[in-house]
Formats: sequence, structure tokens, C-alpha cells
Amino acid sequence: EDQVTQSPEALRLQEGESSSLNCSYTVSGLRGLFWYRQDPGKGPEFLFTLYSAGEEKEKERLKATLTKKESFLHITAPKPEDSATYLCAVQSLSSGSARQLTFGSGTQLTVLP
Amino acid sequence: EAGVTQSPTHLIKTRGQQATLRCSPISGHTSVYWYQQALGLGLQFLLWYDEGEERNRGNFPPRFSGRQFPNYSSELNVNALELEDSALYLCASRHHRSGSYNEQFFGPGTRLTVL
Repeated sequence: EDQVTQSPEALRLQEGESSSLNCSYTVSGLRGLFWYRQDPGKGPEFLFTLYSAGEEKEKERLKATLTKKESFLHITAPKPEDSATYLCAVQSLSSGSARQLTFGSGTQLTVLP
Repeated sequence: EAGVTQSPTHLIKTRGQQATLRCSPISGHTSVYWYQQALGLGLQFLLWYDEGEERNRGNFPPRFSGRQFPNYSSELNVNALELEDSALYLCASRHHRSGSYNEQFFGPGTRLTVL
């Protein structure tokens, strides 16, 4: 059974204080790992897809990296508008053509001005 | 390009009633997924529709069902509502079931409250 664990559950940062969120996963063959951002009461917003160990993707203050067992979302010099819940999800090869996602429980990030 | 849309935004029902939720995918996307996000829980995969057929379902009882229409929009029906069905129901669409397009794009969700 595919499993995704995110840590920490919650993180409070001062504006400009860089940090990293962790996503560790167990899958029977990784097709892809996805990062989403979710604001309260809204649907997840797609951020990144990573497919193989060593891959990195960047977008503004965010950088996602992938190893064989975990992924990190690095946030550089965050701003209050980066406050949200960040979700990690995996898509396993065993999902076949369905390609459904298995999500972690998320990290709730608060950036204080 | 318009994103995934869902209606209604909020839905309040009483226990035992039926709820119907609707989703319109991004233009050109043929796959529609439904997920449940209950308070304190992560997103749980419910159902996958593609080319008008139910292709896969998660670990949910049969009273969760739905359909996909010829224009690829979808409907989720929840029968015999229970209090624990209260959740945010999210619809996502994907470009093509057999291609290399793996990303799913989510709608804003329908908040279902069962009293």
C-alpha cells in the first residue's frame, strides 16, 4: 500500500526565514511525486511534478527536490502570502492507467510579517 | 483557459438524504477524479471516470457513485447520507488517460454538510 508522510505538521516562520518541508513516501514503483498548495476552503493548486531521483524544480521562492525515499520543498525568504497548507502526493506505477494520487496530510505553513 | 469548476459551492443536507455534486473539467481533459477531504484527514481518492465510464474507485461504499457525461463533465451522488460524509469534495481533471500527462488539476470543491 502506498504511503506518504509529511513533516512537520505545522511550521511557523518569520518573513525571510528560509526552511524546508519534508515528504517521505513508500510506493511500489514511483510514477511521479506532486506538490500542491492549498488555501483554506479551496482546492489544491498544482505546483510541481518530480519523476526521478535527483530532479529539481523551481518556481519563485519554492524549490522541490526528490530522492528515492523523500522529497523536500525548500522555501527561500518566504513572504506572508506563502502561508498555506502544502500537500505532497504520489502516483505509483501500480495505479496503472488510473493514476490516482495518494496524498500526505500536509504541512500547514504560516509566515509572519 | 478556464479551470475546473464545481457546483454548488456549499450543500447542506440531513442524514439519510441524497446529495448531487457536479464538476466540469478543463477543456480537452477526458479524465475526472473525485476526492474527499474530511476535517483532519487527508485527501482520499473516491472515483475515477474516463470516456464516460467508471474506471476505478477507492475504498468507499457503493452509496458513493456517479457518472460522466458525453461532454466529460461529471456528477457525484452520495446516497443515504451519514454525518461522517461531511467534507470538502474535490474534483480534478487530467489531460489523457494513456498519455504522459500525469498532473491533476483541482476545482474549488463543494463543501457538503450533513446535519
